[in-house]
Amino acid sequence: EPEVTQTPSHQVTQMGQEVILRCVPISNHLYFYWYRQILGQKVEFLVSFYNNEISEKSEIFDDQFSVERPDGSNFTLKIRSTKLEDSAMYFCASSEDRDPTDTQYFGPGTRLTVL
Amino acid sequence: AQSVTQLGSHVSVSEGALVLLRCNYSSSVPPYLFWYVQYPNQGLQLLLKYTSAATLVKGINGFEAEFKKSETSFHLTKPSAHMSDAAEYFCAVKRGGGNKLTFGTGTQLKVEL
Repeated sequence: EPEVTQTPSHQVTQMGQEVILRCVPISNHLYFYWYRQILGQKVEFLVSFYNNEISEKSEIFDDQFSVERPDGSNFTLKIRSTKLEDSAMYFCASSEDRDPTDTQYFGPGTRLTVL
Repeated sequence: AQSVTQLGSHVSVSEGALVLLRCNYSSSVPPYLFWYVQYPNQGLQLLLKYTSAATLVKGINGFEAEFKKSETSFHLTKPSAHMSDAAEYFCAVKRGGGNKLTFGTGTQLKVEL
C-alpha cells in the first residue's frame, strides 16, 4: 500500500540553525500538507500546498518557514532559524486532490529537537 | 472558528468491553469529520470519515461513528475492545471550502486484560 515517507525520523539542531524536513508524498497525490505536534499538545495545521504554491497557511507559518517541491517526488519544509519552541513532531500529509472529502494520508513524522 | 472537543484525555477499558470515545464539534455549517488513530512511533492513520452521506459511518478495525447534528457529536465506538486497539485517537474537522484539518486534543485509549 502506498504511504507517505519522511526523513529524517529525528533531527537535533542548535537554536538559530536552518533545518530542512523532507517528505515523499504518495505518488499520484496533488495536495500536500505540513502539521506539527508540540509534545503534549494537539496536532496543528501549518501549511497546504497545491499546484506549486501555498494554498493555505496558519498563523504559525511565519517568514521563518518555507515549503518547496524541488522535484517531482519530494516536498520539503524549511525552518530558516530554529527556535526552542520549534521543537515538535512534524507530520507531512498528502491527499489526491482538493476535494475536502479526500482523505489526508500522514507520514510517520520527524521529531525535531532544538537545543 | 470550527473546532472539536474530545472529552477524556485518557480512557481505560477491559478487553472485550465497549469502547466509546467522545467528540463534539462546533461549526456553523455542516462539517466534514474524521477520526484518526496514532499507534506509538507511527503517523496518523484514518479510521473513518463523515462526509455528509450516511450518518452512521463504519471504519477499519471494527470502529464506527455516528454523526448527530442535534447533539453536534461524532462519537467513536467499537463493540468489543482488543488489546491492539491501545493507541491515541484524534477527532478532526474540516469545513467545505478549506482543506486544513483541525484536530482535537486526543484521547489515549488503554485496554486492560
